Amino acid sequence: SQQGEEDPQALSIQEGENATMNCSYKTSINNLQWYRQNSGRGLVHLILIRSNEREKHSGRLRVTLDTSKKSSSLLITASRAADTASYFCATDLYNNNDMRFGAGTRLTVKP
Amino acid sequence: DSGVTQTPKHLITATGQRVTLRCSPRSGDLSVYWYQQSLDQGLQFLIQYYNGEERAKGNILERFSAQQFPDLHSELNLSSLELGDSALYFCASSTTSRADTQYFGPGTRLTVL
Repeated sequence: SQQGEEDPQALSIQEGENATMNCSYKTSINNLQWYRQNSGRGLVHLILIRSNEREKHSGRLRVTLDTSKKSSSLLITASRAADTASYFCATDLYNNNDMRFGAGTRLTVKP
Repeated sequence: DSGVTQTPKHLITATGQRVTLRCSPRSGDLSVYWYQQSLDQGLQFLIQYYNGEERAKGNILERFSAQQFPDLHSELNLSSLELGDSALYFCASSTTSRADTQYFGPGTRLTVL
């Protein structure tokens, strides 16, 4: 069963624009992670935010976490065509070892 | 390159058959995770091993089994294959047993005919 749900399912923007993806989850977590997947390839870890953190930055990525709303957002600024990929949020289950991935947001950045 | 290797890259087999997928984790990583990704089910966690022992179990069918060997490589065995088992199978590794940053392999694409 999936823990996280991304929104929107698909997003299409022009190069240079910002892209925002959201993730909602159901139960308490220790941390939330975002991953990127290029078509048919393995997932690549982007950023991890712990439950006691509210915001984290990595290059053009900004992640926020609101544990009261059980939601997170991933912002990619100044997008590039190379950012075209599927983006997944993943949450651990509190006191559990496994991670659950959402269905992903398919981002298309048009040059 | 994540440092996680998976073999084979592609596998085509028939219903009812048995296959073995292999994964070598990053050097130093003790945890290995297996995931199944299909179009209709998304990315599903199957099972985790940590230092040779099963640590967590997800949506793994009874027809599927896995193990982690003393050299830390892992194998996922799929038996009595059905058409619906066609999917991408990913292995990931991490340093600890906790659900922390995972490094994914390139995957094995299984096609059951």
